[in-house]
Amino acid sequence: EPEVTQTPSHQVTQMGQEVILRCVPISNHLYFYWYRQILGQKVEFLVSFYNNEISEKSEIFDDQFSVERPDGSNFTLKIRSTKLEDSAMYFCASRGGTGGWGETQYFGPGTRLLVL
Amino acid sequence: QQQVKQSPQSLIVQKGGIPIINCAYENTAFDYFPWYQQFPGKGPALLIAIRPDVSEKKEGRFTISFNKSAKQFSLHIMDSQPGDSATYFCAASPSGGYQKVTFGIGTKLQVIP
Repeated sequence: EPEVTQTPSHQVTQMGQEVILRCVPISNHLYFYWYRQILGQKVEFLVSFYNNEISEKSEIFDDQFSVERPDGSNFTLKIRSTKLEDSAMYFCASRGGTGGWGETQYFGPGTRLLVL
Repeated sequence: QQQVKQSPQSLIVQKGGIPIINCAYENTAFDYFPWYQQFPGKGPALLIAIRPDVSEKKEGRFTISFNKSAKQFSLHIMDSQPGDSATYFCAASPSGGYQKVTFGIGTKLQVIP
């Protein structure tokens, strides 16, 4: 069964450093998402991406965050200058986009980011 | 108004019991209500989803009940098994899930043998 993959599985970084989280969505999917989950809290939406542009973003997704689809397979989330409060599990998701109600967003296994 | 409220946050049942997880929402634009199951170290995986014009949906041992007027929905797990031990998230989204999914806080379920 096709699945969303994410690398790395764990990332430790120093405060102020840039990190890039990588995702390979399911190959024929058109819609891409990033979510994050701070330890013990709920999963929160960060951003959605379609047709090479951001379609929606949350208030969490400030100027320190950016997303990119550099080629036909990867989807990345960059945090320019990490803060302690960016420590969380980051999930990538993708959705087919062939239309119809309830088309599932498939989630990857996540990248656990720890900012020291 | 964007929130999805979920309770309880943790639940312990004996094998064979019927855990019930409840959720409520305010935003009437939500029209897609999925439940996700998450095992430790894994991403959320879709378990079952319902639309607001249906009052109940069953898939195997999992049943969603939906009360549109009360803006509440719940998940029942029939004949629960130790393998069902996981965190369960209710969620909601407008536009059939095309837009962002708003998650509840999650319920950590433990099924004791």
